[in-house]
Amino acid sequence: EAGVTQFPSHSVIEKGQTVTLRCDPISGHDNLYWYRRVMGKEIKFLLHFVKESKQDESGMPNNRFLAERTGGTYSTLKVQPAELEDSGVYFCASSLLRGFTGELFFGEGSRLTVL
Amino acid sequence: GENVEQHPSTLSVQEGDSAVIKCTYSDSASNYFPWYKQELGKRPQLIIDIRSNVGEKKDQRIAVTLNKTAKHFSLHITETQPEDSAVYFCAASSGGSQGNLIFGKGTKLSVKP
Repeated sequence: EAGVTQFPSHSVIEKGQTVTLRCDPISGHDNLYWYRRVMGKEIKFLLHFVKESKQDESGMPNNRFLAERTGGTYSTLKVQPAELEDSGVYFCASSLLRGFTGELFFGEGSRLTVL
Repeated sequence: GENVEQHPSTLSVQEGDSAVIKCTYSDSASNYFPWYKQELGKRPQLIIDIRSNVGEKKDQRIAVTLNKTAKHFSLHITETQPEDSAVYFCAASSGGSQGNLIFGKGTKLSVKP
């Protein structure tokens, strides 16, 4: 069974440009999360979808970040316009909704470098 | 809100020795404490977790202890092997939505053969 997949694995853009990250969760996982790790710091929660609805977006840093999960399948995270401090690794994770055990299944991350 | 502190940030041990990583949390309402391992270039993976109704949990060479009174929990790895080399993250459930975890900053463990 395929795990959580993320695309692109690495993106280098200039300040002011736009980047869209994509996450495909494990099939059947209604919970989908976005996390971010800035170099050397903690993995920080951004938001949580249950199916297509935003359950918790308390970690979204500002309105330059827009997450969507149309149809409750894959999700996108758009950063527009990107700033230098947005650089980091963006992780997507998914989990079951019914029968949630606490375990999150992470993707390998999308590394974003803003120059 | 919840805050998780993790120490040390780096840890180097000889193969066969034990390794201990410690975390403290601030929110007494937190009730779920997972540990994730991230090998270089790979995804974070859950290795063990503990809930607040138990004080210790063991899985082969890995154990986690929880002290609710002191609000700290620790990861113990015995008989370390080179393949244990990775970054380890502790986390606490903030009590918010399912899966809203507050992570520590990570500990880079190096096991020297």
